Amino acid sequence: AQSVSQHNHHVILSEAASLELGCNYSYGGTVNLFWYVQYPGQHLQLLLKYFSGDPLVKGIKGFEAEFIKSKFSFNLRKPSVQWSDTAEYFCAVNAGYGSSNTGKLIFGQGTTLQVKP
Amino acid sequence: GAGVSQSPSNKVTEKGKDVELRCDPISGHTALYWYRQSLGQGLEFLIYFQGNSAPDKSGLPSDRFSAERTGGSVSTLTIQRTQQEDSAVYLCASSLRGAQYFGPGTRLLVL
Repeated sequence: AQSVSQHNHHVILSEAASLELGCNYSYGGTVNLFWYVQYPGQHLQLLLKYFSGDPLVKGIKGFEAEFIKSKFSFNLRKPSVQWSDTAEYFCAVNAGYGSSNTGKLIFGQGTTLQVKP
Repeated sequence: GAGVSQSPSNKVTEKGKDVELRCDPISGHTALYWYRQSLGQGLEFLIYFQGNSAPDKSGLPSDRFSAERTGGSVSTLTIQRTQQEDSAVYLCASSLRGAQYFGPGTRLLVL
């Protein structure tokens, strides 16, 4: 079965520190990859997505992610975090191709990021 | 509309009662998804609609769960004879071409 693994469950950083959150998935075929963020008290918001093309994807709020097919990874990065980045981050995968792909997302367990001012 | 809306935002019910949760997708989005977010299980897919059809119901946990979509728009998720393990946040998402946009969810508590 397809699965998504986020290695870090809880990350604490100081402002201006660099961030990298790991995400690995298990599926050998075509994948679409996503990072979502859930700020305290708010709903899930799309940070960035990868469908095809350039494996380095830029999203909102200075976030980026790199798709490394050989490593089945899609790690999220930000060079300098802010207190307002405190949130829960979810990696998600949509696997399959063509008519077999219903678009359903398989989510990782989430990473809670706490940024200290 | 501006985004996906869901109602009610919170629902408290007694074990054994039926509940209905509503989702209004973004106008024009043909695909609609239901997910469940709970502490123990994370975010789980429940059902997928394309138009009014549900080609993927693989995530519905039991036959107490059902969903429908009418007019290619509003969807209702119904849970019959609720159990305490049904307590969770039920999320709806809609999509036009790939990326899914989520609503605020309905927090369900079964006492």
